[in-house]
Amino acid sequence: AQKITQTQPGMFVQEKEAVTLDCTYDTSDQSYGLFWYKQPSSGEMIFLIYQGSYDEQNATEGRYSLNFQKARKSANLVISASQLGDSAMYFCAMREGPSYNTDKLIFGTGTRLQVFP
Amino acid sequence: DGGITQSPKYLFRKEGQNVTLSCEQNLNHDAMYWYRQDPGQGLRLIYYSQIVNDFQKGDIAEGYSVSREKKESFPLTVTSAQKNPTAFYLCASSIDPGPNYGYTFGSGTRLTVV
Repeated sequence: AQKITQTQPGMFVQEKEAVTLDCTYDTSDQSYGLFWYKQPSSGEMIFLIYQGSYDEQNATEGRYSLNFQKARKSANLVISASQLGDSAMYFCAMREGPSYNTDKLIFGTGTRLQVFP
Repeated sequence: DGGITQSPKYLFRKEGQNVTLSCEQNLNHDAMYWYRQDPGQGLRLIYYSQIVNDFQKGDIAEGYSVSREKKESFPLTVTSAQKNPTAFYLCASSIDPGPNYGYTFGSGTRLTVV
């Protein structure tokens, strides 16, 4: 069964430092997508980065990069040069191949990141 | 700007009442979704719709109902049968059902039972 695991309930990082948020996933599909979302205290879900299962290169979007290790089923988010505005909940999510009966994005339980000066 | 509008932002419900949460999108997306989020937890899928006049149950559909009469709109009704409705509700849409596309989310509705 598809599953996303985020083992870090909370993380602290000092401003301007890099931080890695862990995510492992489980799926039997060959075709899937991995996503990271940021949820600030306002509640909205903000898309950060996407990695396809067939992508050979790790995805990058500005200060965000995704460390994709397919054999280990790992999709860690790396935030470089942390800023105070990065303080939020971060969710890893996965979506499998198109299906009428099981179309959904499944989420992990999230990691709360706090950036301190 | 295109996006998803959820209303109201805050909603209070008395015991035994049905309430309807609104979700409207102008992204021309075919698929729409409703998720529930409880404090400190991830999101769980309630219902989804890949096309107008059709919808499917998600993982926690009991006590909820939806309709999809227009492409732009996917309202969620929380019925009196939902025993613990206090939660944060997020509506989302996607341009395609495939694995390469993520969701665009609304800003959410916080429902509280009083």
